[in-house]
Amino acid sequence: GESVGLHLPTLSVQEGDNSIINCAYSNSASDYFIWYKQESGKGPQFIIDIRSNMDKRQGQRVTVLLNKTVKHLSLQIAATQPGDSAVYFCAERGSGRGGATNKLIFGTGTLLAVQP
Amino acid sequence: DAGVIQSPRHEVTEMGQEVTLRCKPISGHNSLFWYRQTMMRGLELLIYFNNNVPIDDSGMPEDRFSAKMPNASFSTLKIQPSEPRDSAVYFCASIFSGRGAYNEQFFGPGTRLTVL
Repeated sequence: GESVGLHLPTLSVQEGDNSIINCAYSNSASDYFIWYKQESGKGPQFIIDIRSNMDKRQGQRVTVLLNKTVKHLSLQIAATQPGDSAVYFCAERGSGRGGATNKLIFGTGTLLAVQP
Repeated sequence: DAGVIQSPRHEVTEMGQEVTLRCKPISGHNSLFWYRQTMMRGLELLIYFNNNVPIDDSGMPEDRFSAKMPNASFSTLKIQPSEPRDSAVYFCASIFSGRGAYNEQFFGPGTRLTVL
């Protein structure tokens, strides 16, 4: 029979539209956040990051917003292109005894499907 | 820069056999991570090393899994004996970490393991 897997949230957008992908994180002490893009058959690829002392950071066609009050992170992609179709993961860097760790906690991911 | 190198890219083996996955981190990076990705559980951290020393192996599923990092440029993840439920894509990632550093992890292309 079919295997039951994670049900990835899917965002379907038209080419040229703006995309907003959301993520809720778990640890209020996390000090660093990263968005990764994973295309089929490839490893996660860094897109943009933000430190906890910022609430917005912009890159080329991408913007990350951080709302620490509600522990929410979003990725905005302007003028979405077919090449943006992929699974997008947010990741938080937690803190442990003695300060920040290198350990990243990944969200379950969102599938972005860009319709031509 | 060649990025993180993993081998083999694909491995098909029979239940009970030993499997060894290999990783060469980016030169100059001092932390290395092994992840497993499945449809059921998403992206899970198995173990990570800092300066060749295992720091957190709490994600290693059971004694059948072991990881080593004999030097700064090489790590292995071994499964013995392998079982069908170990079938997954295994990623290696590396990072330069230091006091106050905010750096993203760089992922390799992954090894797709199928245990029959």
